[in-house]
Amino acid sequence: DAGVIQSPRHEVTEMGQEVTLRCKPISGHDYLFWYRQTMMRGLELLIYFNNNVPIDDSGMPEDRFSAKMPNASFSTLKIQPSEPRDSAVYFCASSGTGVRGQPQHFGDGTRLSIL
Amino acid sequence: GESVGLHLPTLSVQEGDNSIINCAYSNSASDYFIWYKQESGKGPQFIIDIRSNMDKRQGQRVTVLLNKTVKHLSLQIAATQPGDSAVYFCAEKGSSASKIIFGSGTRLSIRP
Repeated sequence: DAGVIQSPRHEVTEMGQEVTLRCKPISGHDYLFWYRQTMMRGLELLIYFNNNVPIDDSGMPEDRFSAKMPNASFSTLKIQPSEPRDSAVYFCASSGTGVRGQPQHFGDGTRLSIL
Repeated sequence: GESVGLHLPTLSVQEGDNSIINCAYSNSASDYFIWYKQESGKGPQFIIDIRSNMDKRQGQRVTVLLNKTVKHLSLQIAATQPGDSAVYFCAEKGSSASKIIFGSGTRLSIRP
């Protein structure tokens, strides 16, 4: 039974470059979440989707960040242009119907380093 | 803002002993609570959850206790094993909110 799949697992790129992170949620889940984790700020919710529609993007730090969910099985988080302070581990999570009362299942993350 | 509060302490436990990880939450309207385990290099893994109409729930070797009076949540791990070494997060969700709020985590280390 496949869990949430993220790619790439690691990304190292230079400041100013565009970065695209990818996520495949668990089949049948209709909620998808993007998080960022750093030592300083812990786990922060960036944005979440319900049935492919963005519901709350108040956690997206800046206009440099954008997320899309073109279909139920795929989502991207894009940073353009990237900056060193964007270095973090980015997690995607999904959950079943009813964001209340349903645990989120996480992928293993993308470790992003911006030089 | 309201938050689930965990300072990031390290709890050191002898292998085979029971572990108790505590969490204080501030939002009295929260009605769903979750414990996650995060191992190095991996994403948070769901362990157990509890709804506010319950005060105790048991899983395999784990028990979650909820005290709504003092807004306190705990995770008990029985017969702690080396594989239990990880950072543990509690999380809450309010009845009127749609986001999960995570605490800062507790690191559990196991002494042989």
